[in-house]
Amino acid sequence: AQSVTQLGSHVSVSEGALVLLRCNYSSSVPPYLFWYVQYPNQGLQLLLKYTSAATLVKGINGFEAEFKKSETSFHLTKPSAHMSDAAEYFCAVISDTGRRALTFGSGTRLQVQP
Amino acid sequence: DGGITQSPKYLFRKEGQNVTLSCEQNLNHDAMYWYRQDPGQGLRLIYYSQIVNDFQKGDIAEGYSVSREKKESFPLTVTSAQKNPTAFYLCASSQGSSSYNEQFFGPGTRLTVL
Repeated sequence: AQSVTQLGSHVSVSEGALVLLRCNYSSSVPPYLFWYVQYPNQGLQLLLKYTSAATLVKGINGFEAEFKKSETSFHLTKPSAHMSDAAEYFCAVISDTGRRALTFGSGTRLQVQP
Repeated sequence: DGGITQSPKYLFRKEGQNVTLSCEQNLNHDAMYWYRQDPGQGLRLIYYSQIVNDFQKGDIAEGYSVSREKKESFPLTVTSAQKNPTAFYLCASSQGSSSYNEQFFGPGTRLTVL
């Protein structure tokens, strides 16, 4: 079985500050990991994904994430927050064995203060 | 433009009624998925289908039914057996059976039981 834990249901940062959204996963087999963003009343958009090619993954809108196997983590970062980054962010995991469907974390709502 | 469409955007249902949510994709994707989203719980998998005429239950399939008669369509029926159907429903699709393929999401349907 696989699972995802996102620490912090709400995170607030000032515009221009570092964004750090935490994600820890549990998987008995090598995982593939994803970060999605959701704006109010919309579907989800892929920010980035880890598929074992490189541990540091760069995504859209200046976001990146680092896969750390020893810490079972895949935290999302952005050096400088912008007002348009305010949204809900979801970490998700999937593997090549068993169920071929994403398991999502509970989400983190990011607020950006001016 | 290629993408996923969901209709209707808003749906109201009286208790005891069955309702069907539409999901159509023109991405030529093999796999399709239905998720339910509740505040603070992330997305939970209802049903998924890797190929036409085949589908599997997800984590919360009770009270729901699906069909996959065409590659581009994956409708979800919320039956009267679903005790708490008020939620935001998201449909997704992905290419092929590889787990690392990105899932693309539709804009969602918000279902409210009156």
